Amino acid sequence: DAMVIQNPRYQVTQFGKPVTLSCSQTLNHNVMYWYQQKSSQAPKLLFHYYDKDFNNEADTPDNFQSRRPNTSFCFLDIRSPGLGDAAMYLCATRQGGTVTGELFFGEGSRLTVL
Amino acid sequence: AQKVTQAQTEISVVEKEDVTLDCVYETRDTTYYLFWYKQPPSGELVFLIRRNSFDEQNEISGRYSWNFQKSTSSFNFTITASQVVDSAVYFCALIGRGSEKLVFGKGTKLTVNP
Repeated sequence: DAMVIQNPRYQVTQFGKPVTLSCSQTLNHNVMYWYQQKSSQAPKLLFHYYDKDFNNEADTPDNFQSRRPNTSFCFLDIRSPGLGDAAMYLCATRQGGTVTGELFFGEGSRLTVL
Repeated sequence: AQKVTQAQTEISVVEKEDVTLDCVYETRDTTYYLFWYKQPPSGELVFLIRRNSFDEQNEISGRYSWNFQKSTSSFNFTITASQVVDSAVYFCALIGRGSEKLVFGKGTKLTVNP
């Protein structure tokens, strides 16, 4: 059974029209991540939550925001998508603490901007 | 700063050939963790292996094997008797102890032809 679930798998939006991507997890992990992956590139970390603490990467545009209402859910909001925001968005979770375990990834949400 | 280099952008082999994917890393942390992930065309990142910096034992899992050499800061991945289903992009990644950020290499696209 999938442990990190992302919805929708495919999202088409218009230039400038806000979009929200969701991620839920059944692992009860305290760390949740959002990565952006453009075609033929490595995943790029946008931000992560450690418990309720939000950690933004310095180069993440203000256009990208996130919410984590509880342990299980995390949302990625793109306020005004541009053509350059078309990408695969990957959510991942990890149990932060003394032992560094692997990240568990969802299947991704592929965003198309028209 | 942490950095992961996968010098091979693309590799193409014929089924049943052995293939090695190279990974070289840089970190100032004395304790760190290395990972390999597989990304098939469907897009999800599949965890393959985690290795911590204190464990230099090589590991074999079926047709997969990993060679970790701290002296050369390398963590290479070999697929023996490759199969078409091994076709994917493979990412090497690094996380330092106490850090929450997984740093990816740029990935190596492996194509196994029948």
